[in-house]
Amino acid sequence: KNEVEQSPQNLTAQEGEFITINCSYSVGISALHWLQQHPGGGIVSLFMLSSGKKKHGRLIATINIQEKHSSLHITASHPRDSAVYICAVSKGGGATNKLIFGTGTLLAVQP
Amino acid sequence: NAGVTQTPKFQVLKTGQSMTLQCAQDMNHNSMYWYRQDPGMGLRLIYYSASEGTTDKGEVPNGYNVSRLNKREFSLRLESAAPSQTSVYFCASSEVLGSTYGYTFGSGTRLTVV
Repeated sequence: KNEVEQSPQNLTAQEGEFITINCSYSVGISALHWLQQHPGGGIVSLFMLSSGKKKHGRLIATINIQEKHSSLHITASHPRDSAVYICAVSKGGGATNKLIFGTGTLLAVQP
Repeated sequence: NAGVTQTPKFQVLKTGQSMTLQCAQDMNHNSMYWYRQDPGMGLRLIYYSASEGTTDKGEVPNGYNVSRLNKREFSLRLESAAPSQTSVYFCASSEVLGSTYGYTFGSGTRLTVV
């Protein structure tokens, strides 16, 4: 079993819909990251969080440390949000921030 | 622009050839990483460097070597390329925990070994 599981693996939405992507993990962590990757493109860090909730524009990330679960929400989705969204966790400690990645959620937002 | 710069963006190698992937960051980050991304799998850590002068193996180090040339640069070398090393390679750097974003990735190198 992977240490980081995401659901769903694939998601198709209509423009304007509210989208939720889930991430569960089975290890102790110091932080959780949400990343975005456009097809053929690089990886962009959206959020790093260790508790509570963060918001940036139409994106909201939440984490529940006790339940080992995080969600990424996209409000008023738009076709430009189409991308792979990746959850990753830092097991923490020491001077580095090595990540363990989920396999990603492929989101397609249709006009 | 500040960030992580990787070269080359694309490369085709024949089995047995060698090459070095270059990575440089200008954000004064201490930690740097090399990951590979394969279809259907999450990114996996090849090697990392906690600080200038130190390197350590990650999850999938076999067939690779690294050099942390200075604080800015972290290179990945394939001494004798194999088809199993066909992948997309990402370099990344990070600040210590507690920063807002934590991680910055390069744009990736798409490597094909034939």
